[in-house]
Amino acid sequence: DAKTTQPNSMESNEEEPVHLPCNHSTISGTDYIHWYRQLPSQGPEYVIHGLTSNVNNRMASLAIAEDRKSSTLILHRATLRDAAVYYCIAGGMYSGGGADGLTFGKGTHLIIQP
Amino acid sequence: EAQVTQNPRYLITVTGKKLTVTCSQNMNHEYMSWYRQDPGLGLRQIYYSMNVEVTDKGDVPEGYKVSRKEKRNFPLILESPSPNQTSLYFCASSQTPTGSYEQYFGPGTRLTVT
Repeated sequence: DAKTTQPNSMESNEEEPVHLPCNHSTISGTDYIHWYRQLPSQGPEYVIHGLTSNVNNRMASLAIAEDRKSSTLILHRATLRDAAVYYCIAGGMYSGGGADGLTFGKGTHLIIQP
Repeated sequence: EAQVTQNPRYLITVTGKKLTVTCSQNMNHEYMSWYRQDPGLGLRQIYYSMNVEVTDKGDVPEGYKVSRKEKRNFPLILESPSPNQTSLYFCASSQTPTGSYEQYFGPGTRLTVT
């Protein structure tokens, strides 16, 4: 997996949009960009993933830079339940030879203020 | 409901006493894996399985064994647990190992070895 860089923590207010940035300057052409989140005392939960185009689903939107060296996870209207650690992962494509686990870094601790 | 289940959720044991943590998924997924999560180290992959009877080492396999006799089950075996295996363990599964599919994680098993 390519190395990713995320801020250690971010704070936002409830019902406001949140933009979580991620840099992945060494991403290869076949690496997907995944976002997972981990709520307190739970396992990681899939949020969204994409390759080149921006993606939307019921949970969030993923904006991918044209050069694919960075991406932004957008929560359109944060709630208190969105307080979690958000992980950006670039890679996960099976290489056919080695471990294929998603490389989870330290992520961004998102704090939501009421 | 699509889910990954793990048992037990909490386990306290003593050094050297063999234990098994079970993992089961009901989504007919081919790919399953085990991670451990430690403070400051993030999630690290222990073992993974591409399909029945196909398993391979992840990043931190020492001290662990796995088996995949049925598609739905992927138990993690600690033949002789040691205190450095005290950790939070997660099982995960996905439709295929390629990066275009999301991984589903179990709720976690908190293991303490004294």
